[in-house]
Amino acid sequence: AQTVTQSQPEMSVQEAETVTLSCTYDTSENNYYLFWYKQPPSRQMILVIRQEAYKQQNATENRFSVNFQKAAKSFSLKISDSQLGDTAMYFCAFMKYSGANSKLTFGKGITLSVRP
Amino acid sequence: DVKVTQSSRYLVKRTGEKVFLECVQDMDHENMFWYRQDPGLGLRLIYFSYDVKMKEKGDIPEGYSVSREKKERFSLILESASTNQTSMYLCASSSVLGGAFFGQGTRLTVV
Repeated sequence: AQTVTQSQPEMSVQEAETVTLSCTYDTSENNYYLFWYKQPPSRQMILVIRQEAYKQQNATENRFSVNFQKAAKSFSLKISDSQLGDTAMYFCAFMKYSGANSKLTFGKGITLSVRP
Repeated sequence: DVKVTQSSRYLVKRTGEKVFLECVQDMDHENMFWYRQDPGLGLRLIYFSYDVKMKEKGDIPEGYSVSREKKERFSLILESASTNQTSMYLCASSSVLGGAFFGQGTRLTVV
């Protein structure tokens, strides 16, 4: 079974600075996806970024980028130039790459606060 | 844009009632999921479905059942609601390419 661990329950960052959110996972699979989701106070879960395990290049989406270390089973999210609208809970998630019948497993999340 | 719609945003039910939470997606996704979200516990998978009439238990299926009669609709059923089922319920759908899209959530209170 896959597990996803987010060990930091809360973080805080000054507006315009950079912050990194940590995530580790455990799996015996070789092909899989990793995701970061954002859940603002409105509680709508939003997909921030995704990474395919077979790709060596780290995914980037505007101010969001990941540091994917497959051997270490680590998948951190870097938010550059933090904005007040980045205040939210962030969840790391794992899905094995088998098409149908693929369970999506989440970590417990981290609450990020961006200070003005 | 993918749309996942949950039938209710807020729901209050009495202990022992049968409760139906409905979820509809408009992107022809194969996979659909029901999670419950509780503070400090993250999202825990209740059930998921990878095709019509196909379902798999998640991590916490006890006290719940599901129904998927049509590809676009996935229902979560609480056969006899209890106070410990008070929670936020999130529905999601995904294609075989990965990446789930979520509904807006249903905050269920059982009194």
